[in-house]
Amino acid sequence: DAGVIQSPRHEVTEMGQEVTLRCKPISGHNSLFWYRQTMMRGLELLIYFNNNVPIDDSGMPEDRFSAKMPNASFSTLKIQPSEPRDSAVYFCASSFGGLATNEKLFFGSGTQLSVL
Amino acid sequence: DAKTTQPTSMDCAEGRAANLPCNHSTISGNEYVYWYRQIHSQGPQYIIHGLKNNETNEMASLIITEDRKSSTLILPHATLRDTAVYYCIVRVAGSARQLTFGSGTQLTVLP
Repeated sequence: DAGVIQSPRHEVTEMGQEVTLRCKPISGHNSLFWYRQTMMRGLELLIYFNNNVPIDDSGMPEDRFSAKMPNASFSTLKIQPSEPRDSAVYFCASSFGGLATNEKLFFGSGTQLSVL
Repeated sequence: DAKTTQPTSMDCAEGRAANLPCNHSTISGNEYVYWYRQIHSQGPQYIIHGLKNNETNEMASLIITEDRKSSTLILPHATLRDTAVYYCIVRVAGSARQLTFGSGTQLTVLP
């Protein structure tokens, strides 16, 4: 199994540009999570999908952020327009199970985003 | 979810056991204790979890006190590759809220 695959590994963009981060979860997993990590705030949960449906997006910072999961094998996190304070490492994670389980999360290698 | 308290950093000699403590004095009866670690520049990695009984797997052992107010993660024979930030997380079973990571313990394994 290739694990959770994220792309790109690094992204450098200018303020105001649109940024799209991609994630391919582990095959057979039905839960997907987007986290953001910064030195100041640590790891923060942004949004959680179960069976391709967004369950909890309370961690999404503002309307500039949006996430989609069109099918079980693909998810995107989009920032439009991007701002320097969005610079962070963005992690995608997947797991098998739902709200009532104690599933293990498997994380990708992350996308290092720098907004200049 | 109950709050956890961990030391900011710890050192351990290579080959020795690393014992990482976690305090969760406000834990409730249906909350599990999870441990994850994050090696530099990588995503977090699941280690182990438990409710009240001690647990062991190929990576580590988890010792939970009888009153469940604290726990210890034990890496029996630490190697340099175990240098990482270790997160202790408490989560309610069946909760819609997902894992919330605190600041963790930076474990440095010394040669």
